[in-house]
Amino acid sequence: ETGVTQSPTHLIKTRGQQVTLRCSSQSGHNTVSWYQQALGQGPQFIFQYYREEENGRGNFPPRFSGLQFPNYSSELNVNALELDDSALYLCASSPGGRREETQYFGPGTRLLVL
Amino acid sequence: DQQVKQNSPSLSVQEGRISILNCDYTNSMFDYFLWYKKYPAEGPTFLISISSIKDKNEDGRFTVFLNKSAKHLSLHIVPSQPGDSAVYFCAASVGGAQKLVFGQGTRLTINP
Repeated sequence: ETGVTQSPTHLIKTRGQQVTLRCSSQSGHNTVSWYQQALGQGPQFIFQYYREEENGRGNFPPRFSGLQFPNYSSELNVNALELDDSALYLCASSPGGRREETQYFGPGTRLLVL
Repeated sequence: DQQVKQNSPSLSVQEGRISILNCDYTNSMFDYFLWYKKYPAEGPTFLISISSIKDKNEDGRFTVFLNKSAKHLSLHIVPSQPGDSAVYFCAASVGGAQKLVFGQGTRLTINP
């Protein structure tokens, strides 16, 4: 069984650019959540996708957007990058449909904005 | 507004002894609490959880205690092992284990 994978592992961008991060959910999982983890902080919920529909959003501006595909993989897009967007971006998947399901995290993509 | 707080950035414990990690929360709507462990270059790994209808949950060496009146939970690891050295995150949610609110983490070091 393949776990959650994310690509790329590291990325460097400049302020104002756009970035796309990718996540492949664990086999059989139809729910994907994205989190941002700034240095020295805990992960912060960005949004969740369930069966290709957004299913909840945290306190992030609209320039953070996402997609979920029919195979349940997902993308996180960030437009007009700011220096504060430098962080570890974590994707987590869960089987979907039940409240107390465990989320399984990928290793993350580390984004540096210069 | 930090709704989930882990006030100890680090903790050092001798191998074989008990490790106690603490977490406080402010949102009384939280009804589900979890602990995750994170090694460097890996994503967080689920450790143990507790629903607000309980005050204790055990899984092997790990026990989580919930004190709703104090809005406080703790994770006990007994006995502590070198492989337990990691960053531990407390997390909370409303209505299940999704859309988690995390604390800042506590780095646990187990000394031989």
